[in-house]
Amino acid sequence: GAVVSQHPSWVICKSGTSVKIECRSLDFQATTMFWYRQFPKQSLMLMATSNEGSKATYEQGVEKDKFLINHASLTLSTLTVTSAHPEDSSFYICSARHSSGRAGGFFGPGTRLTVL
Amino acid sequence: SQQGEEDPQALSIQEGENATMNCSYKTSINNLQWYRQNSGRGLVHLILIRSNEREKHSGRLRVTLDTSKKSSSLLITASRAADTASYFCATDSLYGNNRLAFGKGNQVVVIP
Repeated sequence: GAVVSQHPSWVICKSGTSVKIECRSLDFQATTMFWYRQFPKQSLMLMATSNEGSKATYEQGVEKDKFLINHASLTLSTLTVTSAHPEDSSFYICSARHSSGRAGGFFGPGTRLTVL
Repeated sequence: SQQGEEDPQALSIQEGENATMNCSYKTSINNLQWYRQNSGRGLVHLILIRSNEREKHSGRLRVTLDTSKKSSSLLITASRAADTASYFCATDSLYGNNRLAFGKGNQVVVIP
């Protein structure tokens, strides 16, 4: 299957700082990338959908000014958690999809964010 | 929004036994997918079943889909310790723009 990477795999930051997470499709062009958040022992919750070159579409209840998503190229999307707080601590997972690929795309390995 | 909703079970079985988990959803779908997630890791895609399919096999996995009941089941036969993981179903709804809605997940523990 296609390969999707995320960087960093884990990050610890102080409250109030911003953290950027990268999602890359390594061997295909991802016209769409999805960002999910997963709290411990819970399921994945879709945060937003980003299409290359256009603004991200956020799910209800997700603050677009807090979770900045940029999808500037067909192989890279970034999620920036701005002014992070302990309640933002979570596992963030991206998936990348080619326009002709299966719904949902291929998933990255996830990024563990811990905000102190 | 969450569409796939598994029965929130935690299964604990002996190696060699079969494990069955269920998933129900609410809207019309294009397909339903099952994923496995080991603790603290990413998702592994297991199998996709289309809305016009009723059953699908992949190795030791057997998935059924009943669109009239809006439900699916995942059966793992002859379980192994390495099957210990959380299993999620995810639905690709007809009007979801290729987004997936994940269910709550089932924690499966296979005891060697």
